[in-house]
Amino acid sequence: DGGITQSPKYLFRKEGQNVTLSCEQNLNHDAMYWYRQDPGQGLRLIYYSQIVNDFQKGDIAEGYSVSREKKESFPLTVTSAQKNPTAFYLCASSIEDKPHEQYFGPGTRLTVT
Amino acid sequence: AQSVTQLDSQVPVFEEAPVELRCNYSSSVSVYLFWYVQYPNQGLQLLLKYLSGSTLVKGINGFEAEFNKSQTSFHLRKPSVHISDTAEYFCAVSDTGNQFYFGTGTSLTVIP
Repeated sequence: DGGITQSPKYLFRKEGQNVTLSCEQNLNHDAMYWYRQDPGQGLRLIYYSQIVNDFQKGDIAEGYSVSREKKESFPLTVTSAQKNPTAFYLCASSIEDKPHEQYFGPGTRLTVT
Repeated sequence: AQSVTQLDSQVPVFEEAPVELRCNYSSSVSVYLFWYVQYPNQGLQLLLKYLSGSTLVKGINGFEAEFNKSQTSFHLRKPSVHISDTAEYFCAVSDTGNQFYFGTGTSLTVIP
C-alpha cells in the first residue's frame, strides 16, 4: 500500500531536548511538507521541500530544522529553541506538477513538559 | 498571502438534517480550493477540491461544495448527515500551488 508514514504517533520529551519526528512516503512524490496544528488555529506550514537536498522555510520555521537526503524521507527536528513545541505535527507530500494535491500522513502528537 | 475564514468554529446538527459549513478566502485571483476532514488524532483526508471548470464540486461521503468567485466563498454542504460525519473540517486555499493556507477549522457534531 502506498502512503505516508509518521512515527511515532505520540511522543513525549522534556523541555530543553531536541526531538526528531519521522516522515516517510512511498508514493514517489517529489515534494514534502511539514505542518503544525494547534487547537483553533488550523494548520501552519513549517518547512517544505520540492526536491532532494533542497528545502524552504514556511510561515513558522523558527525553532525547527529539516533535512531531505532521500526522496522518500523528510524528518523534522524540533529544537530546544522552539518556545512552544507541544502540538500535533502533520507531514504531507505531493508530485512535482501537482503541488496543490497534497496527501497527509496520520500525524505525530508531541508533548513537551 | 491568502487568508481563509471559517466563520463557524462549531456546528451541531441533528442526524439526517442538512448542513452547510462556510468558508471564505481573501483573494479573487486564481486559486485552488479544498475541503479536508480530520477525525480525532488522525491526518487530513481530502473531501473535495476545485481546480477549474464547474463551480459545483462533488466529493466523497456525499459532500459537495460550490465555488463562488464574486463572493470569494467555497461553502461545503451535505443534504443529510450521519453520525459518522462527526469530525473537524478544514477549508484550504492554494494560489501558487506550493503553499496551502488553512482555515481554523469547523467542528461538526452530529446529534442522534
